[in-house]
Amino acid sequence: DVKVTQSSRYLVKRTGEKVFLECVQDMDHENMFWYRQDPGLGLRLIYFSYDVKMKEKGDIPEGYSVSREKKERFSLILESASTNQTSMYLCASRAGQGVYEQYFGPGTRLTVT
Amino acid sequence: AQSVAQPEDQVNVAEGNPLTVKCTYSVSGNPYLFWYVQYPNRGLQFLLKYITGDNLVKGSYGFEAEFNKSQTSFHLKKPSALVSDSALYFCAVRLLSGNTPLVFGKGTRLSVIA
Repeated sequence: DVKVTQSSRYLVKRTGEKVFLECVQDMDHENMFWYRQDPGLGLRLIYFSYDVKMKEKGDIPEGYSVSREKKERFSLILESASTNQTSMYLCASRAGQGVYEQYFGPGTRLTVT
Repeated sequence: AQSVAQPEDQVNVAEGNPLTVKCTYSVSGNPYLFWYVQYPNRGLQFLLKYITGDNLVKGSYGFEAEFNKSQTSFHLKKPSALVSDSALYFCAVRLLSGNTPLVFGKGTRLSVIA
């Protein structure tokens, strides 16, 4: 079974802090994604990556950056956390370009105070 | 651009009754369509997908979905609901061509009442 793990289930940070959210997948998937989930807004794509060192902006990249130095790891970085970034963050991975489903991690619930 | 609409925020159904969770989509090409389920404090789990071929797709936990190209819909169905089906359901779409990410709807909360 595909396993996508996220470094923390719950995280509390202060405004202005730099925050790192880590995601690791164990199935050698080329594609990795970061979404945020907010009530009434569904899942919104922040960034995605097709390959190591490659990144593409999603629908809401402002205030975020990403890093993919190794194929299995995709990090989401909040350069200076703000209260409006309090949310559930979901990482996903997917194999190749074909008809494959995305596999999701358990999520990180981030609270910025 | 791709988009997905789930017109109902909440669906309530009695246990044992059939359930339908609605989804319509908009893409400029042939779509891949997916349904995911999210249980409390969990990530999203894949339920089923439509690629091509038979319009009725069967998936996990007794769920199925019907693709209707003329109505651009992909409604999720189950003949007999269980209390354990209560969860948040997401419809998603991506283009058949190219390596594009999934675009998700806003989700529908299903509540099955005993």
